Amino acid sequence: QTVVTQEPSLTVSPGGTVTLTCGSSTGEVTSSYYPNWFQHKPGQAPRSLIYSTTNKHSWTPARFSGSLLGGKAALTLSSVQPEDEAEYYCLLFSGGGWIFGGGTNLTVL
Amino acid sequence: QVQLVQSGAEVKKPGASVKVSCQASGYIFTSYAIHWVRQAPGQRPEWMGWIHGGNGDTKYSEKFQGRFSITRDTSATTAYMELRSLTSEDTAVYYCIRQLPFSWFDPWGQGTLVIVSS
Repeated sequence: QTVVTQEPSLTVSPGGTVTLTCGSSTGEVTSSYYPNWFQHKPGQAPRSLIYSTTNKHSWTPARFSGSLLGGKAALTLSSVQPEDEAEYYCLLFSGGGWIFGGGTNLTVL
Repeated sequence: QVQLVQSGAEVKKPGASVKVSCQASGYIFTSYAIHWVRQAPGQRPEWMGWIHGGNGDTKYSEKFQGRFSITRDTSATTAYMELRSLTSEDTAVYYCIRQLPFSWFDPWGQGTLVIVSS
């Protein structure tokens, strides 16, 4: 059973930069895992930010970017805004199915 | 605009079944797949399976094989998920999500809370 791992929590100051990562128990995460990143705020449905590693949607703020970093998928937030405080989930394609990470609770303080 | 609207909350007894609907609008239903994902309280989201809106092909997570099924009604542009033999561990919010090419998942339905309690 593949396990997808994220930092449980991170704190960043407004205007700062933070990188969230998404690793797999099977080894190196590559573009073949089609990494997705979602933002989830309380009381709302999750919203897609990044798909297929680096691709943004029309609604994805420019300060969000996706990449592969050190064998993991990564989501970098630059010039962080207070409204970026949320839970962030990654999603990987592995073993014929899709697996979510445990989520990163991002605090902007 | 593209929307997925799910049916309302359900309360079920252990051993019962639940069927949740997901009505799609704003796009060609038969062109894309719909996935089902659930999130139990305090847990990570969990992928359950998908159905292609056109040919009806399905793929299920091994965890749910045997007591989970996804169907669709193309005339109603609606996908359904049914979970049987419910236990308290099935208490969760259930979401449907459209998948486009290049593994683009959007939008999500608003979620349906299913509570399993005696």
